[in-house]
Amino acid sequence: KAGVTQTPRYLIKTRGQQVTLSCSPISGHRSVSWYQQTPGQGLQFLFEYFSETQRNKGNFPGRFSGRQFSNSRSEMNVSTLELGDSALYLCASSRLRYDNEQFFGPGTRLTVL
Amino acid sequence: QQQVKQSPQSLIVQKGGISIINCAYENTAFDYFPWYQQFPGKGPALLIAIRPDVSEKKEGRFTISFNKSAKQFSLHIMDSQPGDSATYFCAASKEGAGGTSYGKLTFGQGTILTVHP
Repeated sequence: KAGVTQTPRYLIKTRGQQVTLSCSPISGHRSVSWYQQTPGQGLQFLFEYFSETQRNKGNFPGRFSGRQFSNSRSEMNVSTLELGDSALYLCASSRLRYDNEQFFGPGTRLTVL
Repeated sequence: QQQVKQSPQSLIVQKGGISIINCAYENTAFDYFPWYQQFPGKGPALLIAIRPDVSEKKEGRFTISFNKSAKQFSLHIMDSQPGDSATYFCAASKEGAGGTSYGKLTFGQGTILTVHP
């Protein structure tokens, strides 16, 4: 069974631009969570989607948004990029409705110049 | 406010030794405690997890010990190997229905483990 896939793997943007990251969960998994990983703040929860609905959101500004499609694939968008948004963005999927056993993808490395 | 505190930040052990990483949590509602292993350039990989109805869980060379009253849990890696050199994260969450529980893992800050041959 294929794991969680994320595209693109690497991205370089400049301040003020926007970016869209994509995540395909493990087949059969319907919950997708997103995390930001930085050396200073570690792994921080962004948001979670199940059946195309955002069920939970972390403490990030409104510039961070996401969505989930009917096939469970998910995208996250960051608008008006700031230097501090440089990070590894990780997507994780879970199989069950109330299950936090999460399997992570390889991440997208975003660099903001 | 950090809700999961992990120690040590870094750990060096010799091949064949025991690696021990500790975590403490504050939120008594947490009921799922996984450990993740992350290699450079990779996403975290689920290693082993425990729920509070047991005090210990073992999978191969990896053991989680859980102390509910102290709100602490730890990862023990027996017979540590150079291939175990990675960053290890503990995490905690509350499973089940409820507004702030969906899909949210709260992570410790990570421990960089180096196993010397």
